[in-house]
Amino acid sequence: KAGVTQTPRYLIKTRGQQVTLSCSPISGHRSVSWYQQTPGQGLQFLFEYFSETQRNKGNFPGRFSGRQFSNSRSEMNVSTLELGDSALYLCASSSGLAGVYQETQYFGPGTRLLVL
Amino acid sequence: AQSVAQPEDQVNVAEGNPLTVKCTYSVSGNPYLFWYVQYPNRGLQFLLKYITGDNLVKGSYGFEAEFNKSQTSFHLKKPSALVSDSALYFCAVISLGDYKLSFGAGTTVTVRA
Repeated sequence: KAGVTQTPRYLIKTRGQQVTLSCSPISGHRSVSWYQQTPGQGLQFLFEYFSETQRNKGNFPGRFSGRQFSNSRSEMNVSTLELGDSALYLCASSSGLAGVYQETQYFGPGTRLLVL
Repeated sequence: AQSVAQPEDQVNVAEGNPLTVKCTYSVSGNPYLFWYVQYPNRGLQFLLKYITGDNLVKGSYGFEAEFNKSQTSFHLKKPSALVSDSALYFCAVISLGDYKLSFGAGTTVTVRA
């Protein structure tokens, strides 16, 4: 089974621009979660999608948004980029069955975003 | 709120020696605990998890973790460390009701030859 894939792997943007990151989950997985990893803040939860609906959201400003498509692929968008948005953005997938919280989330390699 | 703590930023061991990476947790209700490893410029790889049952959980690459309810700990162990085990290790807990993984700050493990 193919793992979680993320594109692009690297991005360089300038302040004020917007960016869209893509994530394809493991086949059959319907839940996709996004995390931001920075040296200062560590790993922080952004949001989670299941069946095209956002089920959970972390404490990030509205500039961070996402969506999920009917094939479970997900995109994350960051508008009006700031220097502090430079980070590794990780996507994780699981089957996401309702009420089954103990499922393993499998992570992609991440997209490294640098904002200049 | 559910959280985990990793009290050591760094752990250094010699190859062949036992490796322990510490994690303590704070949850309401049953804890669902995970260990992940991250190699440079890579995503997180799942090592093992504790859901219920035996307190000793065996995982990938020879790692195991011991769940201790009285001490609220979930330490990661490997009997004989390899140089290739050098990486960043994260303990995490799943939040009931929102499918969110809450991670510790991470522990950098260096295994010297």
